[in-house]
Amino acid sequence: EPEVTQTPSHQVTQMGQEVILRCVPISNHLYFYWYRQILGQKVEFLVSFYNNEISEKSEIFDDQFSVERPDGSNFTLKIRSTKLEDSAMYFCASSVGTEWYEQYFGPGTRLTVT
Amino acid sequence: QQPVQSPQAVILREGEDAVINCSSSKALYSVHWYRQKHGEAPIFLMILLKGGEQKGHDKISASFNEKKQQSSLYLTASQLSYSGTYFCGTEMNAGNMLTFGGGTRLMVKP
Repeated sequence: EPEVTQTPSHQVTQMGQEVILRCVPISNHLYFYWYRQILGQKVEFLVSFYNNEISEKSEIFDDQFSVERPDGSNFTLKIRSTKLEDSAMYFCASSVGTEWYEQYFGPGTRLTVT
Repeated sequence: QQPVQSPQAVILREGEDAVINCSSSKALYSVHWYRQKHGEAPIFLMILLKGGEQKGHDKISASFNEKKQQSSLYLTASQLSYSGTYFCGTEMNAGNMLTFGGGTRLMVKP
């Protein structure tokens, strides 16, 4: 069964450093998402991406964040200058469409900012 | 605006039933239900669209009351594998971002 994959599974970085989280969505999916989940809290939407551009973003997704689909398979989330409060589990998700289509989540990348 | 889930936590014995509610203060287009086990990604359970539909999958079903802006997830004859945190995600319009509730932690004991 096709699945969303994410690398790395765990990333430790120092405050102020740039990190890139990588995702490979399911191959025939057209819509891509990033979510984050701070330990013990709810899942929070960051951004959605379609047709090589951002279709929607939340208040969390400020200028420190960017997304890119550098090739036909990868979907990346970049955090330019990490802060302690960026420590969280970051989930990538993808879906075939937006109406009536479920979003399939990847296993997540645990980001720890020290 | 974040949907409100209730209860926050529930403990069941295997075979018992549970209901998890998800309420919104605004009109909804759809409600998505996910289950997340500790340290794992959320797993999709079902989508309900406005129109008051009800869906079922094995012993897990859900309803969506558009007028009340509320969805309920029904777990019948619970199994140990049902343990986890259940999140509802809501959409205000088709193609909108999902806004998740705070989660309901469900523990099923033998």
